Amino acid sequence: AQKITQTQPGMFVQEKEAVTLDCTYDTSDQSYGLFWYKQPSSWEMIFLIYQGSYDEQNATEGRYSLNFQKARKSANLVISASQLGDSAMYFCAMSMIKAAGNKLTFGGGTRVLVKP
Amino acid sequence: DGGITQSPKYLFRKEGQNVTLSCEQNLNHDAMYWYRQDPGQGLRLIYYSQIVNDFQKGDIAEGYSVSREKKESFPLTVTSAQKNPTAFYLCASSILGTGESEQFFGPGTRLTVL
Repeated sequence: AQKITQTQPGMFVQEKEAVTLDCTYDTSDQSYGLFWYKQPSSWEMIFLIYQGSYDEQNATEGRYSLNFQKARKSANLVISASQLGDSAMYFCAMSMIKAAGNKLTFGGGTRVLVKP
Repeated sequence: DGGITQSPKYLFRKEGQNVTLSCEQNLNHDAMYWYRQDPGQGLRLIYYSQIVNDFQKGDIAEGYSVSREKKESFPLTVTSAQKNPTAFYLCASSILGTGESEQFFGPGTRLTVL
């Protein structure tokens, strides 16, 4: 079974500073994908970034980057130059690439509050 | 605009009643999913479907049922057998039913059982 752990239930970050959200995962499979989603107060789920287990380079999407450390089974999200609109819940999720169905296993989330 | 619609946004039902949550997508995605989110928690998979007329149980399927008669539609029925149905329900779809494609989510339905 797969498991995602997000150990930071909540955190404050000053506007324009960078913030790192922790995510560790547990799986015995070699082929998997790691996702980060944002859930603002509107409750919609917004896809941010994806990292495949065989990708050698860390994924980046604008101000978002994923610090992928395969040996440590961690996939931390880094948000650079935080903005007030970054205040939201952030979820790390994992899928098994070779398994039938694109089932996502989610962590418990981290709430980020950006201070002006 | 392409996307996923869920209706209604808020739903109230009396205990013991079945209720059906709607999910429609016009993204031409093959795979669709239903997740449940409880306060302060992550999402948990209820059911998923990779193709029309086929669907599979997720981690918490007990007390729920689904159908997939059309590619665009994947309704979820919360039955009276679901012990604690009050939650936020999210529908999602993806272009492929494999683990490399991102899932696109609808706006969700908040169900309250009185």
